[in-house]
Amino acid sequence: DIVMTQSPDSLAVSLGERATINCKSSQSVLNSSNNKNYLAWYQQKPGQPPKLLIYWASTRESGVPDRFRGSGSGTDFTLTISSLQAEDVAVYYCQQYYNIPFTFGPGTKVDIK
Amino acid sequence: EVQLLESGGGLVQPGGSLRLSCAASGFTLSSYAMSWVRQAPGKGLEWVSVISDSGGSTYYADSVKGRFTFSRDNSKNTLYLQMNSLRVEDTAVYYCGKLGRSSTHSHADYWGQGTLVIVSS
Repeated sequence: DIVMTQSPDSLAVSLGERATINCKSSQSVLNSSNNKNYLAWYQQKPGQPPKLLIYWASTRESGVPDRFRGSGSGTDFTLTISSLQAEDVAVYYCQQYYNIPFTFGPGTKVDIK
Repeated sequence: EVQLLESGGGLVQPGGSLRLSCAASGFTLSSYAMSWVRQAPGKGLEWVSVISDSGGSTYYADSVKGRFTFSRDNSKNTLYLQMNSLRVEDTAVYYCGKLGRSSTHSHADYWGQGTLVIVSS
């Protein structure tokens, strides 16, 4: 199984400041045949289902604010929130969908400082 | 508008069975692979299973393989998760998810609100 790790476990950022979450996979999730990284980012607020933010590692889902940016390739990925807003308080998960089982990272909790 | 409505959760004793349903609307179900993930109380997300658009292929997490069966009836716009030999560690909110394309190897772009399964004596 591909093991997904995230860092940090939690972070507190001032409103308007940048938040950076890292995700690492135990093996590459890059499909060389189509040059796509099979990596998604989800946001989950308390009592709500996950919400898709980013797929193919860097493609923003329709309707997601452009302050959310995904980057990285192979085994190392980053979700950046360029200017944290109050509504961004949530847990963020990365997930690989390259190999079954499609494993999630343990999550990173983002709070306001 | 895409809607996924899970039902069928509840309290069951260890060793018992439950069948979860997921009613889909707002899109052509037969064009998309679908998935289940679960979340134990206070814990992270755990991938459970995926089914192809036609239902011809299904894959499972090792933790549920041989006990859970994922199926779909595209004519009824409904998906099912038959859960047998339930264990205490199966206690979780179960979310039904629509994948972004027909392929099973895809991100999920919509999730239902979830249904709670409690396995306890």
